[in-house]
Amino acid sequence: DGGITQSPKYLFRKEGQNVTLSCEQNLNHDAMYWYRQDPGQGLRLIYYSQIVNDFQKGDIAEGYSVSREKKESFPLTVTSAQKNPTAFYLCASSIRGPNTEAFFGQGTRLTVV
Amino acid sequence: AQSVTQPDIHITVSEGASLELRCNYSYGATPYLFWYVQSPGQGLQLLLKYFSGDTLVQGIKGFEAEFKRSQSSFNLRKPSVHWSDAAEYFCAVGETDSNYQLIWGAGTKLIIKP
Repeated sequence: DGGITQSPKYLFRKEGQNVTLSCEQNLNHDAMYWYRQDPGQGLRLIYYSQIVNDFQKGDIAEGYSVSREKKESFPLTVTSAQKNPTAFYLCASSIRGPNTEAFFGQGTRLTVV
Repeated sequence: AQSVTQPDIHITVSEGASLELRCNYSYGATPYLFWYVQSPGQGLQLLLKYFSGDTLVQGIKGFEAEFKRSQSSFNLRKPSVHWSDAAEYFCAVGETDSNYQLIWGAGTKLIIKP
């Protein structure tokens, strides 16, 4: 079955540590996205990528980094510079273009302890 | 700047009652409109979308939405809700001249009374 897989589902991190969230898709989509979700704030875009080896900052990129070495994979690193990293993180993909629906993974809940 | 407003943070309806969730957008041209649903701790699933043509669109799970250009609205409706409809609902707008981003509303949490 085609879809997007995020792992792990739950992640705990100590303050000061970097952590990488995995996102893999087998939908053959060009575009991939990372969103952060906090209660009452909807979805905020962290980074997006329209093509391999290219990515752009979203609205809240500070403290995060990404790579897009393969079409299928778009990992997100939450660095120690992110001041408030505890949140629910969602990865999505779509056919390249502004008007196509996005397909979402099941999310990763990151908690800083 | 373009924006999407979902004016109701929470809505409570009785099982079997009708439902309408509101979505208003601010955008000059004809937008591309989406409704997504999110169950707790899960990703988002597309309910329906409007690109052009008939302004009343049908989606999955018995939902429908109507695009009203004069009111800049794209409200989601269901004639009779089921307890399994309890979830959070998000409206989103895609821009024709965008850099491939969707603009999201803040979401409406639907609570079903037995």
